[in-house]
Amino acid sequence: EVVLTQSPATLSLSPGERATLSCRASQSVNNYLAWYQQKPGQPPKLLIYDASNRATGIPARFSGSGSGTDFTLTISSLEPEDFAVYYCQQRVTWPPLSFGGGTKVEIK
Amino acid sequence: VQLVESGGGLVQPGGSLRLSCAASGFTFNIYMMNWVRHRPGKGLEWVSGIVMSGVSGPSTYYADSVKGRFTISRDDSKNSLYLQMSSLRAEDTATYYCAKSKVASSRDMVFDDWGQGTLVTVS
Repeated sequence: EVVLTQSPATLSLSPGERATLSCRASQSVNNYLAWYQQKPGQPPKLLIYDASNRATGIPARFSGSGSGTDFTLTISSLEPEDFAVYYCQQRVTWPPLSFGGGTKVEIK
Repeated sequence: VQLVESGGGLVQPGGSLRLSCAASGFTFNIYMMNWVRHRPGKGLEWVSGIVMSGVSGPSTYYADSVKGRFTISRDDSKNSLYLQMSSLRAEDTATYYCAKSKVASSRDMVFDDWGQGTLVTVS
C-alpha cells in the first residue's frame, strides 16, 4: 500500500500570500498524483491530476509539480475562497487507492 | 454531470444500509464509478470502485476495511450506482460520496465529478 504524507498539517497564511503544500509518497507513484480541494460541507473538487495538469476550470494560480515520491501544490496568491483542506491522492498502485491526510490552509 | 446520493441515515451497529447514486449528464455505462467516504475529523478514504469489463461483467474493488461487508453494484439501465453495507461498525460513520472517474472506458482513478454526499451514522 502506498502511504501519502502531507505537510504541513496546517498552513496559516493571509490572502495574497503564496501557499506551498507538500505530499510525499512511501514509494514512487511516477506522476500519478492528484490534488483535491475540500471546503466544509462540500464534496472534494479536483484541482490537479497527473502531478501538474490543471483540471477544467481551475485557475492558473494553482499549480502542481513533482514526480516519483515528492510533490508540491502551489497557490501563487491566495484568494479568500482558497482557504480549505487540500488532499493528494495516488493512483499508481491500487487497491487500495490512497489519499494523504490533508493540509488545512487557514486564514492567519 | 450530476450525481445524487441517497439512502444514508442512522443505523445500529451490526445493521445494514443501501446507498444509491443517481447519475445524469454523461454516458454512465462507460465510466468507472466509486464510493469515497469522509469520516468526521478524518481525511478522505476510498471505499470501493466498479467498472464494466465487457462480456465478463463488472469488475469490483474494495478497501480492506470494508471487504466482505460492503458490496458495490451498478445498474446501467437506470444510470445508478449502489453500495450495500452490512455488519456496520461505528467506524463506518461518514459522509459517503459517489465519484466518477475522469476518463471513460478505463480504470482511471482520478475523480472529476462528485455528488454532495449522504451521511451514514452508525450508533
